[in-house]
This record gives sequence, C-alpha cells and structure tokens, in this order.
Amino acid sequence: AQKITQTQPGMFVQEKEAVTLDCTYDTSDPSYGLFWYKQPSSGEMIFLIYQGSYDQQNATEGRYSLNFQKARKSANLVISASQLGDSAMYFCAMREVTGKLIFGQGTTLQVKP
Amino acid sequence: DVKVTQSSRYLVKRTGEKVFLECVQDMDHENMFWYRQDPGLGLRLIYFSYDVKMKEKGDIPEGYSVSREKKERFSLILESASTNQTSMYLCASSLRGPTNEQFFGPGTRLTVL
Repeated sequence: AQKITQTQPGMFVQEKEAVTLDCTYDTSDPSYGLFWYKQPSSGEMIFLIYQGSYDQQNATEGRYSLNFQKARKSANLVISASQLGDSAMYFCAMREVTGKLIFGQGTTLQVKP
Repeated sequence: DVKVTQSSRYLVKRTGEKVFLECVQDMDHENMFWYRQDPGLGLRLIYFSYDVKMKEKGDIPEGYSVSREKKERFSLILESASTNQTSMYLCASSLRGPTNEQFFGPGTRLTVL
C-alpha cells in the first residue's frame, strides 16, 4: 500500500540557516507525484513545491528545493535562509495515479530569531 | 487567484445531529476533495469527486456522505454526528492531471458534544 512517512514531529532552526525536512514514500506505481504543503497556525494549506516521478532534475521554487532520491524513495524539502515566517507545520504528500493525495503526519518547524 | 471557501470556520453540534459542511470553489476545477485533519495523523481523505454527480470513497468514508450537484460545490454530510467526528475538516479542489496541485479552503473546526 502507498505510504508517506515524516519521521520528524518537530524541528528547530536558527533564522537565516538552512533546514531539511525528511519525507520517505512507498509505492509500486511507476508514475506518481510528490508535493510539499505548508500549514501556518492560521490553518490554511499552502502549496510549496512539486516533483514528478519522471522528472530528472530536483524541483526548486525560490528558497524551497526538493531533494529527490528516487532509489531511496525520499523527497526531502530543503528551506534555505530560514525566516521567522517559515514557522509552520509542513506536510509531504504523494499523488497516486487515481489523483488521490496521501499525506504524511507532518513536521512542525520553529524558526528561532 | 483560486479561491476555495468553506461555509463555517467553527461549528459546534450535538451527538446525533445531521451536519452539512459546504465547500465552494471558483476556478472551474473538476476535482474536489474532503479531508479530515487530526493531530499526529496528518490529513486523511474522506471522499472525492471527479465531476458533477460523481463521488468516490477515500480512506475513511464511514459515517460520511457527500453531494456534488454543481461543479463548484461539494458538500460533506454527517448523517448522525458522533463525538469521534470532532476534527478539522478541509476541502480542496484541483484541475485534472497528475501535476496539478490541490488548493485548500480555510478549514472547518467541528466539535461534536
């Protein structure tokens, strides 16, 4: 069965430093997509970045990059130059061929000034 | 900008009541989804819909039903609310296609007493 695992319930990072949030997945489908979402304390889910299973290069969006290691089935999110506004919960999700998204348990990131 | 709205941010109901949660999107998206979010469990898919009058069960459909009579509106129904349905409910929509991200509403925090 498809599964997404985020093993870090909580993380701290110093402002302006980089941080990596871990995500591993399990699927037997050759075609899938991986997403990262941010959920601030206000509750809305904000899309950050997408990686397709056939994409050769790692996705990047501004300060966000996705470290995609297909053989290891990992899709870690890297946030460079952390800002106080990055404090939030982060969810990794995998899109199945049916279109459904499966979410991990989430990682709470706190950025220290 | 894509906008997904939900009828209430907070809702308090009594055990046994019938509860309607409404979701409306304004970007002509084909796909709509209902999730519930509980601490430590991430988001879990309740039901989704690929088109008007179509519905598919997600991972936890028990105790819920849905209705999609118009493309822009997707309703979640709790036929007889129970205390274990106290949760945050999130609606999302997306275009068809594997790379399209889901856009989320602000969520409804439902408490069943």
